[in-house]
Formats: sequence, structure tokens, C-alpha cells
Amino acid sequence: DIQMAQSPSSLSASLGDRVTITCRASQPINSYLNWYQQIPGKPPTLLIYAASRLQGGVPSRFSGGGSGTDFTLTISSLQPEDFATYYCQQSYNTLLTFGPGTKVDIK
Amino acid sequence: QVQLVEFGGGVVQPGRSLRLSCAASGFTFSDYGMHWVRQAPGKGLEWVAGVWYDGSEKYYADSVKGRFAISRDNSKSTVYLQMGSLRVEDTALYYCARDPHTSGVSGRFFDFWGQGVLVTVSS
Repeated sequence: DIQMAQSPSSLSASLGDRVTITCRASQPINSYLNWYQQIPGKPPTLLIYAASRLQGGVPSRFSGGGSGTDFTLTISSLQPEDFATYYCQQSYNTLLTFGPGTKVDIK
Repeated sequence: QVQLVEFGGGVVQPGRSLRLSCAASGFTFSDYGMHWVRQAPGKGLEWVAGVWYDGSEKYYADSVKGRFAISRDNSKSTVYLQMGSLRVEDTALYYCARDPHTSGVSGRFFDFWGQGVLVTVSS
């Protein structure tokens, strides 16, 4: 199986901050990397697919980058509704795997 | 609008079986792959199983292979998860999720999720 690691596991940030979350795959996965946001008590929502493609309806302050084994999710200016847990997910092969998540909370 | 509604959850003893269903509406069900993803209480997301848009291919996480079976009925716009030999560690909120990717093994993602159904395995 392809293992996914995320860093940091949690972070505290202020409104307006630029935040970057990193996801690393245990082997190259091309650009088959997706990002999700989960607010407590809600199902996840898709933010980014194929490493850098913004899902329709997602604010442009979210962006994704990377390929191979190293990927990033960046929030350019943190808003109140962005305090949540973020997961990466690889879809390189038939066994899909998620990262352990990064919790973003208020400083 | 797109809706995915899961049902069939509950409390079940270890070793028993349970079948989850996910009823879809608001889109052409047969155009999409479908998956089950679970989340144990206070934990992260774990992909469980997926089925292609036409039912021709099915995939499972190692943790459930041989115990769970995914299926779909496109005439009823419903995807199922038959869970057998349940273990305490299968306790989780089970989500069904839609996958718009229809060609090839790589590149799948979940663009819409249901609200989830809780399965508790306990004696």
C-alpha cells in the first residue's frame, strides 16, 4: 500500500495568515493527489483534485501543488470557516489511502 | 441537487453481518463510481471499498477484503456494502461517496459525500 504522511499534524493560526500543509507519499504518485476539508460533525468536502485543480465552488484562497511524492495545500488568507481538519488522499492505484489529517485551529 | 443518503447502520455483535445502503438522487447514478469511506470515532478517514460506474470492477481495502462486499444497482440508484465477520475495530461512521472518474485505475476522487451512518460493533 502507498502510505501518506502529513505535516504538521496540527497547527494554530490567526485570521488572515497564510497556511501551508504538506503531504508526502511513500512512493511516487504522479499528480494523483486530492485534498479534503472536514469540519467537525460534517462529512468531508473536496477542495483540490489532481494535485492542483480547484473543485468548483471552492474559494480561490485554496491552492494545491506538487507532484511525485511531495505535495502542498496552501490557504492564502485564513478565514473563520477554514478552521477544520484537512486530509490528503492518493489515487495512484486501486488501493486508495488518506493521510492522517492536519487540524487547523485558532491561535 | 445531489443527495446521498446512507442507511442500515446500528449496533451489531462481533462476528455478525450488516448491510448498508446508500440511495443516490439528483444525478445520473450510472455515470459515477461509488465508494464507501469510514471514520472511527475521533479518528481519520479510511477508504473501505469502491465500485466502478458499471459495476465491472470492485476494490477493497486490505482491512476488509474477504469480509465486506460492495455492489450497486443502477436501476435503483443505490450502492450497498455487505459487511460480514464484523469486528470491534469496524466501529465507525460509514460514508458513501461519489467518484466522477470513469476511465482508468488512477485519478479517482470523491466529489460528493453523504452524511454517514454509524455502525457500532459491540458485545
